[in-house]
Amino acid sequence: DGGITQSPKYLFRKEGQNVTLSCEQNLNHDAMYWYRQDPGQGLRLIYYSQIVNDFQKGDIAEGYSVSREKKESFPLTVTSAQKNPTAFYLCASRRQRQGAAENYGYTFGSGTRLTVV
Amino acid sequence: GQQVMQIPQYQHVQEGEDFTTYCNSSTTLSNIQWYKQRPGGHPVFLIQLVKSGEVKKQKRLTFQFGEAKKNSSLHITATQTTDVGTYFCAGRQAPYTDKLIFGTGTRLQVFP
Repeated sequence: DGGITQSPKYLFRKEGQNVTLSCEQNLNHDAMYWYRQDPGQGLRLIYYSQIVNDFQKGDIAEGYSVSREKKESFPLTVTSAQKNPTAFYLCASRRQRQGAAENYGYTFGSGTRLTVV
Repeated sequence: GQQVMQIPQYQHVQEGEDFTTYCNSSTTLSNIQWYKQRPGGHPVFLIQLVKSGEVKKQKRLTFQFGEAKKNSSLHITATQTTDVGTYFCAGRQAPYTDKLIFGTGTRLQVFP
């Protein structure tokens, strides 16, 4: 079955450490996204990518970096510059289609819970 | 920037009661999507609305897009314990962008 795989499920980070969250999809989707979820705040967009080797900042990109070297993969690095990284991180993908009205819902991975220790 | 607010933030209902969550955007939306997130889980896509005044139904769920394309609602008739979770609306600002902005969510608890 096709889907999105995020790993690890739980991650602990020490102060000043960079960590990378993995996101892999076998849905042949063009667009991929990273969201951060904090309690009571919904989902906030960190970065997104519509095609390979291209990505754009979302609303809260500071302290994060991404790469999109392959269509299937969109890893997120949480750098030491991110002062409050403890959160639930969700990766999503979407089949891309031309036209404002014609697009599809996001498929989400099961998420990574990052905790600073 | 674009903001999408949902009310209420929490709703506790008795099984069999109806439930409605409202979504309001500060800007006109090109389309709106709804997602459900079970406790401890990830959001799952429910539906997309595109046209002004559009109404769509999925069994006991009714989704509506406002005439001005700045608000939307989700109504659940005769709730069941399986409806428990957080419901999010998510909208794209008009004209079309690829950025999907999620609402703050409404957490629904259903008591048997």
